[in-house]
Order: sequence, then structure tokens, then C-alpha cells
Amino acid sequence: EVQLVESGGDLVQPGGSLRLSCAASGFTFSSYWMSWVRQAPGKGLEWMANIKEDGSEKYYVDSVKGRFTISRDNAKNSLYLQMNSLRAEDTAVYYCARELVHSGIDWFDPWGQGTLVTVSS
Amino acid sequence: DIQMTQSPSSLSASVGDRVTITCQASQDISNYLNWYQQKPGKAPKLLIYEGSNLEIGVPSRFSGSGSGTDFTFTISSLQPEDIATYYCQQYDDLPITFGQGTRLEIK
Repeated sequence: EVQLVESGGDLVQPGGSLRLSCAASGFTFSSYWMSWVRQAPGKGLEWMANIKEDGSEKYYVDSVKGRFTISRDNAKNSLYLQMNSLRAEDTAVYYCARELVHSGIDWFDPWGQGTLVTVSS
Repeated sequence: DIQMTQSPSSLSASVGDRVTITCQASQDISNYLNWYQQKPGKAPKLLIYEGSNLEIGVPSRFSGSGSGTDFTFTISSLQPEDIATYYCQQYDDLPITFGQGTRLEIK
């Protein structure tokens, strides 16, 4: 069974840092792009960042460039999101998602269950 | 960034009704559009990819159509288990963007 399990969410003060992890199982992790998508409480979905199969390419939404870093360890079947300089508006459930990228195709499936990050003093 | 505008934002319908949600892109995205279903407290689930292709295992009452800037998502006969929020998502250009969501309720 394909499974993604996020961890690392917590309550953190503004300006603080946090590292999220996503453990993948049930598929060949090193063969897929991976993404982070977040959802603020009661709000819609916002794509954050993605990373190529071998980690050679990374892309970010403008609002987190320079603050967040996506990375992966294919030997550990794990995806990470290092979040620095956190702001109240970063409060959200963070999902990792497997991203199928192919000619004319790009979708997220499956998604993890999410991990909650709360930025507050 | 490509803006995705869904309408309506919320919708109340009866079991058995035909339900239609629209998604408009701020520029031509060809058919580079997916639809997701998110039930309360759960992660999103892919329903439709490339504008009109049904994901394996998804009931045939769900369908998608459109290309360019205007897209439609349809449930042909609403079932109680379809209560959820539905999102469109474009992948024509980075950043990948989602519509604001359509919350579907049973009347």
C-alpha cells in the first residue's frame, strides 16, 4: 500500500524554525517528484514546493522562497521541509504528496494525512 | 501566477441531483487541470486528471470537461458520500495553483 506519513508539526514562536518529515512506503520513492502543500485553518490548498526524483531540481512558491527548503533522502525514503523565519500566516496543516510528472501530466496522488504547524507567541 | 476561480464557493443539493462546478483560469492552460475531493478532516484525493480523465477507482458519476480557460466538474447523481470540498488545480505553469474550493452540502 502506498503510504505517506508526515511528522514534525508543532507550536512554534514567530521567527522560529521547524523541520517537517514525510516517510514514504509502498512505492519506489526515488522514482517520483514530491511536493509539500499546505492548508491554513478553514482555507484552501496552497502548493509550497516540489523536488525532482534525484533532488537536482527544486521549486518554491514566492511566499516561502528563502525561508523554506525542501529536501529528500532517497536512501531513507524520506522528504523534508525545513522552515525558517516562521510567521503567523504559515500556520497550516502541511501535506506531503507524491507528484506524478510526465509528458502533459502532473498530479498529486496520494497525499499524507498532514501535520499541523502553529506559529504563535 | 495563474489564478484559478471556482464557482460557486458553496452549493447545497439533494441526493440524486446533478451538480456542476466551474473553474476558470486566468490564462489558457490547455487541459492541464486536475480535480480533487477533500472530505472533512481528510487529505485531498485525486478524482480527475488532465481535465477529463477519471482516476482509477473513482465512480463514473464524476466527470470533468473543458480546455483553455473554462472547465467544468460534474456529479451526475449526487450521493450522500459526495459531501466534501472540491478543488481544481492547474499545472500549466509554476507555481502550481488551486481554486479556492467549492463546499458541497446535502439539502
